[in-house]
Amino acid sequence: EVQMLESGGGLVQPGGSLRLSCAASGFTFSSYAMSWVRQAPGKGLEWVSTISGSGGSTYYADSVKGRFNISRDNSKNTLYLQMNFLRAEDTAVYYCANGRACSGGSCYSDYWGQGTLVSVSS
Amino acid sequence: DIQMTQSPSTLSASVGDRVTITCRASQSISSWLAWYQQKPGKAPKLLISKASSLESGVPSRFSGSGSGTEFTLTISSLQPDDFATYYCQQYNTYSPGSFGQGTKLEIK
Repeated sequence: EVQMLESGGGLVQPGGSLRLSCAASGFTFSSYAMSWVRQAPGKGLEWVSTISGSGGSTYYADSVKGRFNISRDNSKNTLYLQMNFLRAEDTAVYYCANGRACSGGSCYSDYWGQGTLVSVSS
Repeated sequence: DIQMTQSPSTLSASVGDRVTITCRASQSISSWLAWYQQKPGKAPKLLISKASSLESGVPSRFSGSGSGTEFTLTISSLQPDDFATYYCQQYNTYSPGSFGQGTKLEIK
């Protein structure tokens, strides 16, 4: 059974940092690109970042480029999102999702984690 | 960047109705389109990939069609469990705006 479990969310002040993790199991993690998708309260889905299976290619939304860093540890089957210089508008539930099929950094996903809430507020 | 536009934003319908949601891409994405269903507090669920390929376990009342720039998701006979928000997503090419803005399907 495929499982993806996010952790690391919480309340942080503007300008602060957080590191999200997504522990995956039930599939060959290194064979799949992985993505982070977020959803602000009451809003739609917003793609944040994607990393290739090897970790050699990364892609970012313009809204987070230069502030967020996606990485993965295939030996631990874990995906990360380092978020720096956080802003109020980064407040959202962050989902990790697999890349079932991708074209460049654009993937669709058939497995999603349950999400972790990041709140940026003073 | 490719922009995805869904219509309508909100749709009111009754159990048993046939409903259609439209998703338009700002440029051709061939058939590289997925549809998701999301219920409050839950992660999205993949319904359809490659514009019309139904995922295993998804009821056959769901269907997708289209190619190029215009796509539709049709539910042939609404069931109580179908009231949710639906999103389209393109995966033809790297583009930040890959998701549509969503269509909330409400009970009339």
